[in-house]
Amino acid sequence: KNEVEQSPQNLTAQEGEFITINCSYSVGISALHWLQQHPGGGIVSLFMLSSGKKKHGRLIATINIQEKHSSLHITASHPRDSAVYICAVSPYNTDKLIFGTGTRLQVFP
Amino acid sequence: DGGITQSPKYLFRKEGQNVTLSCEQNLNHDAMYWYRQDPGQGLRLIYYSQIVNDFQKGDIAEGYSVSREKKESFPLTVTSAQKNPTAFYLCASSYPRAPFGYTFGSGTRLTVV
Repeated sequence: KNEVEQSPQNLTAQEGEFITINCSYSVGISALHWLQQHPGGGIVSLFMLSSGKKKHGRLIATINIQEKHSSLHITASHPRDSAVYICAVSPYNTDKLIFGTGTRLQVFP
Repeated sequence: DGGITQSPKYLFRKEGQNVTLSCEQNLNHDAMYWYRQDPGQGLRLIYYSQIVNDFQKGDIAEGYSVSREKKESFPLTVTSAQKNPTAFYLCASSYPRAPFGYTFGSGTRLTVV
């Protein structure tokens, strides 16, 4: 079993829909990261969380440390949000990341 | 602007040849990392370096080598010993107090024919 699990693996939405991507992990962590990978391959960091909730524009990330679960929400989705969203965790006492396999999101106009 | 530069974006090599992928950062980050991405799998750590002239093996180091002679540079060599070198390679760097923790490069897609 992977230490970081994401769901769903694939997600299709109509423009304007509210999107939720989930991430569960099984190790103790100091931080959780949400990343965005566009078709060209480069990765952009969206959020780094250690507790609570963060918001940036239409993106919201939450984390529940006790339940070892995080969610990434996209409000009023747009075709330009189409990308692979990756959850990664920083285990305690290490600079290394453990990655989920990603959620491929396609938003249609 | 500060960031990570990976070059080239696409690379083709014949089987049996060594190839070196470049990664340069101007963020003054201490730690640098190389990851490999294969379809349907999460990124896997090849090598990482937390300080100049020091580096450690990651989870899949066999068939790869690195050097860290300068803080800004962390080149990765894919040797002929790597059995399945065709993949997408990502470089990253980190600094403890950076807002997002990590910065990633745009990647190099290596195809070995």
